[in-house]
Amino acid sequence: QVQLVQSGAEVKKPGASVKVSCKASGYTFTSYGISWVRQAPGQGLEWMGWISAYNGNTNYAQKLQGRVTMTTDTSTSTAYMELRSLRSDDTAVYYCARVNYDSVIDYWGQGTLVTVSS
Amino acid sequence: DIQMTQSPSTLSASVGDRVTITCRASQSISSWLAWYQQKPGKAPKLLIYKASSLESGVPSRFSGSGSGTEFTLTISSLQPDDFATYYCQQYNSYFRTFGQGTKVEIK
Repeated sequence: QVQLVQSGAEVKKPGASVKVSCKASGYTFTSYGISWVRQAPGQGLEWMGWISAYNGNTNYAQKLQGRVTMTTDTSTSTAYMELRSLRSDDTAVYYCARVNYDSVIDYWGQGTLVTVSS
Repeated sequence: DIQMTQSPSTLSASVGDRVTITCRASQSISSWLAWYQQKPGKAPKLLIYKASSLESGVPSRFSGSGSGTEFTLTISSLQPDDFATYYCQQYNSYFRTFGQGTKVEIK
């Protein structure tokens, strides 16, 4: 069965960076993409970007351009999302999710809470 | 970016009610729309893709319709397990966007 298992919660100070991992299993990792979506406390879902696990091509939300980097390690079927220059409004649960052949997000990780606080 | 607007933001309904949620896109997205259900503290779950295709394993009381800029998610007979927040998402544009969500509450 498809599983996406994310790394644990993080607490960071403003200006720092965070790197969240997402280990995939139960499918051929390089045949699908991975999207990252975040959700601030009590708020809706925000699409952050996408990476092809096949060739590493990326597409980032315009508001995060320059601060976010998505990568994959095909040897371990793991995707990573790094966010730099953290601000308090980056406090959120960060989800990785599989993007299928129809370009739809069909499976989600369990989420990783990132708290940015001084 | 394409803006997605859902209505209503909150909906109060009873078990057995027919419920309809609307999602409007700021420009045409053809049928490239998905619907997700999210319960508190959990990841979203895919319900509908390509505007009207039911994801495998999703109960048939859920249905989607629409194309272009206006879409609806209908729950034909609301069940206790359906009280949750629902999001639409467009995947027509290179930059995907979600609606702001519709919370379905118990009346």
